[in-house]
Amino acid sequence: GAVVSQHPSWVICKSGTSVKIECRSLDFQATTMFWYRQFPKQSLMLMATSNEGSKATYEQGVEKDKFLINHASLTLSTLTVTSAHPEDSSFYICSASRDPSPLHFGNGTRLTVT
Amino acid sequence: DAKTTQPTSMDCAEGRAANLPCNHSTISGNEYVYWYRQIHSQGPQYIIHGLKNNETNEMASLIITEDRKSSTLILPHATLRDTAVYYCIVRFLSSNTGKLIFGQGTTLQVKP
Repeated sequence: GAVVSQHPSWVICKSGTSVKIECRSLDFQATTMFWYRQFPKQSLMLMATSNEGSKATYEQGVEKDKFLINHASLTLSTLTVTSAHPEDSSFYICSASRDPSPLHFGNGTRLTVT
Repeated sequence: DAKTTQPTSMDCAEGRAANLPCNHSTISGNEYVYWYRQIHSQGPQYIIHGLKNNETNEMASLIITEDRKSSTLILPHATLRDTAVYYCIVRFLSSNTGKLIFGQGTTLQVKP
C-alpha cells in the first residue's frame, strides 16, 4: 500500500535557527501533498497544500515566509521552519495520496525549539 | 468542506463492538465520508471511506444513513490497541481539491 515517510521523526533546535522537514511518498508519485501542525491535546490544523512544480497554497493565518514549502519532485516535499522560536514547537505531519487512493499520513516530526 | 460533529469521548469494553457516530448534515452529493484515527504521537491512520453505500474492510465497517446526513464507524471487536482519537471527515475524492479538514474527533478508550 501507499506509504508516506517523514524525516526526521524528532528534532531539537535553538531559537533563531531553521529546520527542514522532509516528506516522501515511497511507492507512488504525489502531485499534491498537505502539511499539518498539531499542538498538544489539539486536533490537526492544515497549514498548506504543496503542489509539485508550483507555489504552495497556504491556509489563512499561516505565514508563508515563516514556513517555506518546496515540492521539487513528485515524491518529495519539504517544509522549512525559518528562524524558529519556542512557539513553533509542535508536531508537524504531512500527507499525500495517489488518486483515487485515500490520503496517507507520515508519522510526523516533533519539533522542539529551545 | 462540510463540517462534522462527533462526541468528544467514548468508552468501550475490550472485545465488544465500538460504534462511533458522526453527523454531517451539510454534506454535498459528491463528498465522501472518511474515517481516520490517531494513536498518540503518531500520524493519522486511514480506516475506511464511503459515498453512500455501507462499506466494510479488514479494520471496520462504515454505515451511512440513506439521507447521508450521518454515519457510524463500527469496530467489531475492539482491542486495547484501538484506543485512539477517531476523526470523521468529509471531502471530495480527488486529492487536488479534497484537503482533509480535521475536527476534534472522538477519543475512544477501550477498557479491559
